[in-house]
Amino acid sequence: AQKVTQAQTEISVVEKEDVTLDCVYETRDTTYYLFWYKQPPSGELVFLIRRNSFDEQNEISGRYSWNFQKSTSSFNFTITASQVVDSAVYFCALSEAPTSYGQNFVFGPGTRLSVLP
Amino acid sequence: DVKVTQSSRYLVKRTGEKVFLECVQDMDHENMFWYRQDPGLGLRLIYFSYDVKMKEKGDIPEGYSVSREKKERFSLILESASTNQTSMYLCASSSGTGIVYSYEQYFGPGTRLTVT
Repeated sequence: AQKVTQAQTEISVVEKEDVTLDCVYETRDTTYYLFWYKQPPSGELVFLIRRNSFDEQNEISGRYSWNFQKSTSSFNFTITASQVVDSAVYFCALSEAPTSYGQNFVFGPGTRLSVLP
Repeated sequence: DVKVTQSSRYLVKRTGEKVFLECVQDMDHENMFWYRQDPGLGLRLIYFSYDVKMKEKGDIPEGYSVSREKKERFSLILESASTNQTSMYLCASSSGTGIVYSYEQYFGPGTRLTVT
């Protein structure tokens, strides 16, 4: 069965510090997709990135970067030079091929990041 | 930009009432989803729909039903609300047919439902 673990429940950093959010996943499929979402205090989940299982290249988008390592089943998210606006709950999610026609999309429990001024 | 809207941000209902939560997306997405979000439990899928009039159960469908009469609209129905259905309800949509699981989902702002 698929599973997503985010071991860090809450993290607090001071502004301008770098912070890494961990995500470890479990799946038996060879084809799957990984996602990161941000949920700011307003409540709406915002899509950040999608990665498929065949693409292990790291990705950088501004201050955000993602490290995908199949060998350790991890898809970690790093924020460089954190800002107060980065304060949110971050969710990692996994989607794999369904056994029947349907969606199989699992979210991790989330990591609450607080960036202090 | 994808826009997913939900009919209410906050809702208070009494036990036993029938509750309708409405979700509308404006990007012609084939797939729509209803989740509930509870502290410590993350997001749990209630139902999803991959086409008009089609629906599939998620992980926790008990006590809920859904309706999708038009492509852009997906309704969640609590037939007889109970206090354990107090939660944040999130609607999402995604594009793609066939390989439903490969596409990112776009979320609405959520409806915080309190059942007293």
